[in-house]
Amino acid sequence: GAVVSQHPSWVICKSGTSVKIECRSLDFQATTMFWYRQFPKQSLMLMATSNEGSKATYEQGVEKDKFLINHASLTLSTLTVTSAHPEDSSFYICSATPSFRPDTQYFGPGTRLTVL
Amino acid sequence: QQQVKQSPQSLIVQKGGISIINCAYENTAFDYFPWYQQFPGKGPALLIAIRPDVSEKKEGRFTISFNKSAKQFSLHIMDSQPGDSATYFCAASMRSWGKFQFGAGTQVVVTP
Repeated sequence: GAVVSQHPSWVICKSGTSVKIECRSLDFQATTMFWYRQFPKQSLMLMATSNEGSKATYEQGVEKDKFLINHASLTLSTLTVTSAHPEDSSFYICSATPSFRPDTQYFGPGTRLTVL
Repeated sequence: QQQVKQSPQSLIVQKGGISIINCAYENTAFDYFPWYQQFPGKGPALLIAIRPDVSEKKEGRFTISFNKSAKQFSLHIMDSQPGDSATYFCAASMRSWGKFQFGAGTQVVVTP
């Protein structure tokens, strides 16, 4: 149980285009979902926290207009990287907190974004 | 401000040996301490977690030791196997907060 999926697993796009990444909790309802960014050989950097039906809370320094988060249901959150540039290339990982275990997070497999 | 400090940065251990990773935290309000295992190109997977009301928790070959007074906790991997070669992250959280504060990670390499 507690499986989180992400789609796509990798994406290559041209500079200036927008990319949408989906995060789904497959076998549980998620009270909260989180989006992280991870650079090679570094720790996870929290970008934002989202709850179903409400606006995401962004961490300091994260541009909310560039990284749009929509939490449409208790099982789906999306991250849209708008007007992507090469510096946005990174590994994006989502996590979800289940209602049956509200103290922990289960992570998705990650999405590798490369912006040319 | 790094609220969770993790060491060592990397670790090489022989098959069958014990891997020990340490973490120290500053915020005494933290009440949940998970460990995650991450393989290259994959998302972190929950390994084991502990609350401050116990000093040790064991699941299979993985053990967390927790020292509340010292504000430290550690992961012990017994009988390390090549398949344990991965990056391990400790984290700390408050139930009321929900967010995790991650350590910098430890790359463990288990040699055959």
